Amino acid sequence: AQTVTQSQPEMSVQEAETVTLSCTYDTSENNYYLFWYKQPPSRQMILVIRQEAYKQQNATENRFSVNFQKAAKSFSLKISDSQLGDTAMYFCAFMKIGGGSNYKLTFGKGTLLTVNP
Amino acid sequence: GAGVSQSPSNKVTEKGKDVELRCDPISGHTALYWYRQSLGQGLEFLIYFQGNSAPDKSGLPSDRFSAERTGGSVSTLTIQRTQQEDSAVYLCASSLSYGLGLYGYTFGSGTRLTVV
Repeated sequence: AQTVTQSQPEMSVQEAETVTLSCTYDTSENNYYLFWYKQPPSRQMILVIRQEAYKQQNATENRFSVNFQKAAKSFSLKISDSQLGDTAMYFCAFMKIGGGSNYKLTFGKGTLLTVNP
Repeated sequence: GAGVSQSPSNKVTEKGKDVELRCDPISGHTALYWYRQSLGQGLEFLIYFQGNSAPDKSGLPSDRFSAERTGGSVSTLTIQRTQQEDSAVYLCASSLSYGLGLYGYTFGSGTRLTVV
């Protein structure tokens, strides 16, 4: 079974600054994807960024980037130039892929990020 | 539809009553998942449907929970004899097929269930 740990229940950052959210995971699988999802007060989960485990290059999406350390089983999210609209709960998630997978997500408990003006 | 639709948005029920939560996925999406988000917890997988295949019910917490998906589209999650610990947000997600979930699901806005 997989576990995902987010050690920061809450974080805050000033607008326009950079913040990093931590995530570690534990698995014996070799084929998997990692995700960061954002959940604003509307409750709808929104995909922020994903990383294929077989790729060494860190994924980037505009102001969002990850630091994927496969050996350390670490997958942190960096948000640059933070904006008020980034205020949300952020969840790190793991997905096993390949044979026998139903492509379900295993989530961490989340980090509540507040961006202050 | 344009997105995943869930109803009701909020539900308050008395302990011991049965409730039904509905999920209407994006048209053509064959994979459908239910997750539960309890206060202070991450999302917990409940059940998975893929096309006409037998569902993966491995995440259902007790036999009071059941789900069905009619015609490969709308899904209903039923909780019988609700308990206070069932209070949570129930989220539904869909993807074009199970393998394409790795590109990210589309989630609904959930149903907040409160058992009093």
